[in-house]
This record gives sequence, C-alpha cells and structure tokens, in this order.
Amino acid sequence: GAVVSQHPSWVICKSGTSVKIECRSLDFQATTMFWYRQFPKQSLMLMATSNEGSKATYEQGVEKDKFLINHASLTLSTLTVTSAHPEDSSFYICSAVLNSGNTIYFGEGSWLTVV
Amino acid sequence: GIQVEQSPPDLILQEGANSTLRCNFSDSVNNLQWFHQNPWGQLINLFYIPSGTKQNGRLSATTVATERYSLLYISSSQTTDSGVYFCAVGSGGYQKVTFGTGTKLQVIP
Repeated sequence: GAVVSQHPSWVICKSGTSVKIECRSLDFQATTMFWYRQFPKQSLMLMATSNEGSKATYEQGVEKDKFLINHASLTLSTLTVTSAHPEDSSFYICSAVLNSGNTIYFGEGSWLTVV
Repeated sequence: GIQVEQSPPDLILQEGANSTLRCNFSDSVNNLQWFHQNPWGQLINLFYIPSGTKQNGRLSATTVATERYSLLYISSSQTTDSGVYFCAVGSGGYQKVTFGTGTKLQVIP
C-alpha cells in the first residue's frame, strides 16, 4: 500500500485564490519531507525541504511567501499556493524517506489547474 | 549544483524489444534511484542503486559510480512499460535528490 499519501489528487481553483495540498506519511514518522513541482513534459524540480517544527528551506527562485509550507507534525506537511495564477498550474508532488532506509517514497501527486 | 542528463530523451519500441536507458551525472553521489512515472503522474520506485547491479524481473540496473553513470535495462518490453523514466541522484544529505531530464518511452504493440 501507499507509504506517502497526498491530497487532493486534482484541484481546480480560480485565479487569486489559495489552495492547500497535504502530504502524509503513513505508519511512519517523517521529520523531513520534500516538495517538487513538475511542468508539462519537464522533469521534477525541488521546491523546498519541509522540516518538522521549523521553517522550510526553499530552493533558489522559489517564492517562500507564495508557496507556504507547514510541517506541524511528524506525519503531515502542507503546501499552500497563495494568490494562485494560471502559471502556477502544475503537478505538485511530495516525498519522504523511511528512517530505516534510503529509499525515497513519493505521494501520488496533485494536479493543480488555475483558471 | 549537480547536473543529471538522461539519454535518449525519447524512445519508441516494438513490444518485445529490449532497451537501455542511460543516466549521466556530473559529480559524486551517494544515492541514485530509478523511477517510472506513469501517464497519471504517479512515480514508481524501480531501483535504489548507488553502485553495483540489481535485477527485478525484466528490469535491471547498473551504476558505475566512479564513471558517473547508471544504466537501466528493460527486456522484453510491454506496453505497460510506457511512460517516463527518471533517474534521481543525491549527494551529501541523501534525502535530497536531483532528478534527471527523463526518457519518455513508448512501447507499441
């Protein structure tokens, strides 16, 4: 079964509104999770590292005030796209690593369409 | 940062054919994984292979860390193998990885 669960899978929102995407680790604690973005026909680009109980670390070029990340518990990280615009339409996916191993597990991903 | 290039970018195979996908990286790594992304976007982990060779059914992978490349072999391809294959590498903190450019594979009946 899924090790990392992401919700929602699909979301359509109006331009100017905010959208929240959840990433949950199932049956294990993840002190660190990662958020990636994938534009059509492109590779996955790391957006930020989500750290439980502390501020997220953002990659260069990613607006921290636009992409709010909250890692309030050891099993949940959220990504909020604020004041969404059509250019934010993309596939967003999170990942976490089991403490006992090196394998990275990804959530199912979330397709965001801003109209 | 580390650069990860994959080749070929696109590949069309007849069902039953074999293929080799390549991943080149620009610096030393301590984590390398191969993923298959299906048409719905879901990423499936195929191999964790920072070095050596592994096999899983029709798939196998080899990483030569000293020469900074990894190969993914697909034998007797099936239409369900279609999708995009990514390698992802990490250095230092193993949890943070950089994805390659991807190889889009289409297997036709």
